[in-house]
Amino acid sequence: QSALTQPASVSGSPGQSITISCTGTSSDVGSYNLVSWYQQHPGKAPKFLIYEDSKRPSGISNRFSASKSGNTASLTISGLQAEDEADYYCCSYVGSSTYVFGTGTKVTVL
Amino acid sequence: EVQLLESGGGLVQPGGSLRLSCAASGFTFSSYAMNWVRQAPGKGLEWVSTISGSGDSTYYADSVKGRFAISRDNSKNTLYLQMNSLRAEDTAVYYCAKREEATVTMDYWGQGTLVTVSS
Repeated sequence: QSALTQPASVSGSPGQSITISCTGTSSDVGSYNLVSWYQQHPGKAPKFLIYEDSKRPSGISNRFSASKSGNTASLTISGLQAEDEADYYCCSYVGSSTYVFGTGTKVTVL
Repeated sequence: EVQLLESGGGLVQPGGSLRLSCAASGFTFSSYAMNWVRQAPGKGLEWVSTISGSGDSTYYADSVKGRFAISRDNSKNTLYLQMNSLRAEDTAVYYCAKREEATVTMDYWGQGTLVTVSS
């Protein structure tokens, strides 16, 4: 199973919105409504942001939203803040309790 | 509060073995599948293995199949990863992560333990 494709980096100014794409295939992203997103600050463990393509768990800011179309999922961060500077990973369930992660995107707040 | 605490990482020579542990608290451990995910230095996340709540079912990434073994002791609320025939490319921070059953999402993660395979 190949890693899902994400842009290596995305940047934006404070207050702006940015979108991170996550492209897979009909065997992973396109097969299940089970894409999740994670945020990881340097030296820290990943933090769960989004599940089932677009749902936010309790406690996650509504500045984070996500969607999916076909084999591509997307994460949007609106009202960009300095604390959003981190690495972001998508992850797709691919059946039989197996998973594939995205290549990761470094978000820089200018 | 859910807590996951990994231990057992360290420096090991190529071809050697190591066993990682993940002590869980704050939830009914036996009711949840658990995962190991790793991250090589400066690289992205890679799913390694999953074990069912009962321990009866296990799943592995092709990169570790036949070399790694996931297990759990529900009486001790502890998850394990036995790593054999280690290679330089297994060098990574290893995280344990709880799986939320309804969504099969990894909702809680430990802080990770570093495994370095080098001579």
